[in-house]
Amino acid sequence: EAQVTQNPRYLITVTGKKLTVTCSQNMNHEYMSWYRQDPGLGLRQIYYSMNVEVTDKGDVPEGYKVSRKEKRNFPLILESPSPNQTSLYFCASRNVQRVGEQYFGPGTRLTVT
Amino acid sequence: GQQVMQIPQYQHVQEGEDFTTYCNSSTTLSNIQWYKQRPGGHPVFLIQLVKSGEVKKQKRLTFQFGEAKKNSSLHITATQTTDVGTYFCAGLSSGAGSYQLTFGKGTKLSVIP
Repeated sequence: EAQVTQNPRYLITVTGKKLTVTCSQNMNHEYMSWYRQDPGLGLRQIYYSMNVEVTDKGDVPEGYKVSRKEKRNFPLILESPSPNQTSLYFCASRNVQRVGEQYFGPGTRLTVT
Repeated sequence: GQQVMQIPQYQHVQEGEDFTTYCNSSTTLSNIQWYKQRPGGHPVFLIQLVKSGEVKKQKRLTFQFGEAKKNSSLHITATQTTDVGTYFCAGLSSGAGSYQLTFGKGTKLSVIP
């Protein structure tokens, strides 16, 4: 089954404690992306990657890091989380060649206290 | 950068009434996509429109792409409680050798039984 998986699905942490949210897709997609979703603000892109070892900033990259060492994985790293990073995070992937459907993961709800 | 405006932000309708959400882009788009996010879920692809003036239907849903490829609409006829959720448009534009997908903020639809 074609899917994007994220882990963990829920996470409560404290300010300053480094965390990683994993994302993996099984569709051999070149393009992967991270979004955060906040009430009234819609989906805002954090980082994206066009292919392995190629990453770029989205609209709200401050406080986040990503890496793309393998095609299927695109982890999101928060080196020093702060309460304003409390949000719902979605990973997504799509095929760059075939301009079309973007697949989203189930989401990770992060709370930073 | 490219902006995609979507209105209204919220819509409450009585079951059986029609519903329309509108998207407007600041730039000409390669295509426009529509996604639906059920409460507690993740965005799921509905459809993609590519051609100027294109109209597509999915049962009670009608999607339109403007002649100038800068605006789009989603119309639902005779809403049902299963239509509840947030509807996002996403404009795809090309530039600097890549395609970028920019999401509108979404329209949250509530259906009163």
